[in-house]
Amino acid sequence: NAGVTQTPKFRVLKTGQSMTLLCAQDMNHEYMYWYRQDPGMGLRLIHYSVGEGTTAKGEVPDGYNVSRLKKQNFLLGLESAAPSQTSVYFCASSTDYEQYFGPGTRLTVT
Amino acid sequence: SQQGEEDPQALSIQEGENATMNCSYKTSINNLQWYRQNSGRGLVHLILIRSNEREKHSGRLRVTLDTSKKSSSLLITASRAADTASYFCATGSGGSYIPTFGRGTSLIVHP
Repeated sequence: NAGVTQTPKFRVLKTGQSMTLLCAQDMNHEYMYWYRQDPGMGLRLIHYSVGEGTTAKGEVPDGYNVSRLKKQNFLLGLESAAPSQTSVYFCASSTDYEQYFGPGTRLTVT
Repeated sequence: SQQGEEDPQALSIQEGENATMNCSYKTSINNLQWYRQNSGRGLVHLILIRSNEREKHSGRLRVTLDTSKKSSSLLITASRAADTASYFCATGSGGSYIPTFGRGTSLIVHP
């Protein structure tokens, strides 16, 4: 099993550009999550999903949108990137409390 | 807002020594997890302890939970250079599977 994969691994955007980060899991997990990790801030939850077709806001949802059209995929979109969105983004999935994380996407917005 | 706060923020030890890091939290929980993150990688789950448990072991890891003090500790015995990583606690409460992560402890084990 590949576990949780994220695409792309690195990306540089200019302010105002848009992009979509893709997360895929092959463990048939119901729950999926998007986090951002900034130095000294730990992990902060952006959005999450409790099942196919559902999404909900986390701690820091502003400037991001998500979709979960298929159970195995969870997409994170940035409609108009801002320098404050420079971060490392992690996707995770779970069936219960234990979360399985992807390798991360390092995004820089200039 | 962070629920769990790890202490110390950074820890540097020699190989073979024990490493202890602590996590304090503010509100009642029903479980607490510890994760490891190697540099440039995603987090990896280490252990989960429930609120009705006081201690759990997994290999060289020992986790304790004191709900009266709202704190947990992670002990890594006989540390190795490969244990160099950041360690995060994550608290769970209510009926949700969504944990709240702390800011982490950075552990460096010198060979």
